[in-house]
Amino acid sequence: DAGVIQSPRHEVTEMGQEVTLRCKPISGHNSLFWYRQTMMRGLELLIYFNNNVPIDDSGMPEDRFSAKMPNASFSTLKIQPSEPRDSAVYFCASSAGVSSYNSPLHFGNGTRLTVT
Amino acid sequence: DQQVKQNSPSLSVQEGRISILNCDYTNSMFDYFLWYKKYPAEGPTFLISISSIKDKNEDGRFTVFLNKSAKHLSLHIVPSQPGDSAVYFCAARGSGNTPLVFGKGTRLSVIA
Repeated sequence: DAGVIQSPRHEVTEMGQEVTLRCKPISGHNSLFWYRQTMMRGLELLIYFNNNVPIDDSGMPEDRFSAKMPNASFSTLKIQPSEPRDSAVYFCASSAGVSSYNSPLHFGNGTRLTVT
Repeated sequence: DQQVKQNSPSLSVQEGRISILNCDYTNSMFDYFLWYKKYPAEGPTFLISISSIKDKNEDGRFTVFLNKSAKHLSLHIVPSQPGDSAVYFCAARGSGNTPLVFGKGTRLSVIA
């Protein structure tokens, strides 16, 4: 089991540039989550998918953020245009079920985004 | 409005002593609680959980206590080891098919 794979591990970009974060969930998991970690807010849920369908994107901070899951093995989180306040660690997580009752949430190692 | 609150950003404990990490929640519909542990440059990993029908769950050195009337849970680590130094996140699940809600985390430092 390779776990949840995120790329890149680090991203440094200039304000105004487009940023794309990528995630490969654990095979067989049907729920995928994007979280953002900051000192002020801790782990915030941005959006989650169930069976490749976005269920709740109310945590997405602005229209500059978008996420897609074209198939069961791949998801992207895009920020366009990026701003310095988007600097954070972004985690992707997957589980066999939205509520994680019988299948704990498995996190990737995150992408540390720095926008200058 | 934070539904899961970890009011202590950090905690320092001597090796061999007990570490107690606290978590409060506001939503009475939460029925399942979890603790996750996070090392630097890694994602959080599942540590231990408890259902609302129980008041205690133990796994080796880790015990989680749940006080539903006070809407409070705690994680006890006995004895604490330097390898336990990490950020600990409390999480809760509401009724129905809803995702976990996380607290802000508590950074535990176990001093040798």
